[in-house]
Amino acid sequence: EAGVAQSPRYKIIEKRQSVAFWCNPISGHATLYWYQQILGQGPKLLIQFQNNGVVDDSQLPKDRFSAERLKGVDSTLKIQPAKLEDSAVYLCASSLGRSNHEQYFGPGTRLTVT
Amino acid sequence: DAKTTQPNSMESNEEEPVHLPCNHSTISGTDYIHWYRQLPSQGPEYVIHGLTSNVNNRMASLAIAEDRKSSTLILHRATLRDAAVYYCILRDDFGNEKLTFGTGTRLTIIP
Repeated sequence: EAGVAQSPRYKIIEKRQSVAFWCNPISGHATLYWYQQILGQGPKLLIQFQNNGVVDDSQLPKDRFSAERLKGVDSTLKIQPAKLEDSAVYLCASSLGRSNHEQYFGPGTRLTVT
Repeated sequence: DAKTTQPNSMESNEEEPVHLPCNHSTISGTDYIHWYRQLPSQGPEYVIHGLTSNVNNRMASLAIAEDRKSSTLILHRATLRDAAVYYCILRDDFGNEKLTFGTGTRLTIIP
């Protein structure tokens, strides 16, 4: 079974530039999550999708971050404009849904904002 | 979300059992106890979860106190590959399935 795919793996941009990350969840997984992990901290949930609807985006900085999950499969997370404090690893995870407790994480995208 | 408390770091010798503690004194009746681990430069990986009874799987065992205010993740025979950050997380079964990660316990395995 293929795992959660993310691209790119690494990205370096200057502040005020924009960036986009892509995630392809495990086939058949209805729930998709984006997490932000700052160095030395645990992952923090940014947004959760159930199929193509948003379940929780309470911690997403909506003035600069946006995410979409068209057709309930792939998802993109965008930052525009980026700030220095956005330097982090962005993790995508997916799960079957409520009845299944396991979330499967991708390898993440390491973003450096200079 | 109910909070968990874990030691920042632990060390263990290779091929010996490891007991990773977690305190969750404010746990509610619908909170499941989840453990994930994160190996260097990788995303977190599910380890095990439980509600009230002790649980075993191919990776580890989870021992849950009778009052559910604490739990212990047990790795029966640590290998170098088990060196990782281990997160103890409470997840409300009636919530939106989100995981709230703390800073976890960094486990070092000594060869």
